[in-house]
Amino acid sequence: AQKVTQAQTEISVVEKEDVTLDCVYETRDTTYYLFWYKQPPSGELVFLIRRNSFDEQNEISGRYSWNFQKSTSSFNFTITASQVVDSAVYFCALSEANSGGYQKVTFGTGTKLQVIP
Amino acid sequence: NAGVTQTPKFQVLKTGQSMTLQCAQDMNHEYMSWYRQDPGMGLRLIHYSVGAGITDQGEVPNGYNVSRSTTEDFPLRLLSAAPSQTSVYFCASSPLSPQAGELFFGEGSRLTVL
Repeated sequence: AQKVTQAQTEISVVEKEDVTLDCVYETRDTTYYLFWYKQPPSGELVFLIRRNSFDEQNEISGRYSWNFQKSTSSFNFTITASQVVDSAVYFCALSEANSGGYQKVTFGTGTKLQVIP
Repeated sequence: NAGVTQTPKFQVLKTGQSMTLQCAQDMNHEYMSWYRQDPGMGLRLIHYSVGAGITDQGEVPNGYNVSRSTTEDFPLRLLSAAPSQTSVYFCASSPLSPQAGELFFGEGSRLTVL
């Protein structure tokens, strides 16, 4: 069975600090996909990134970066120079992909990030 | 584009009542799913579908029914509501292949069962 663990329930940082959100996953499949979603206080779920299991290259998008390490089954998310608008709940998710198609997409319990001005 | 549309956005039920949460998408996505979100529990998968006529259970299917008669619609039915079903429900859709796209979520439906 697949599982996603986000051990950090809540994190508070002061604006402009860097912060890393941890995500550890478990799966028996060799083909899978990992995701990060943001849920701001308004409640909608905003897609941030998708990564497949064959692509371990780290990615940077503006102030956001992601570190994927298959050796430790981790897909961590770093926000550089945090801003108040980054305050949200962040979810990591895992999808096994039997026969190349989506199957169950499992989410972690989320990390609530508060950026203090 | 409307994307994923959920109705109603808010609903209050009494224990034992039935209701249907509607979900429609206009992106021709094969994959659709329902999640519930509870404090400290993240998003838990209730049911999902990989195409019209095909549905399967997720982590927490008890008390919920689904059907998929068309590609566009994926309603979630509560046959006899219980207070434990008080939650925020999200519908999501995507292309069948994760390589082709991510999950797109509706705005959520907040259900309270008294």
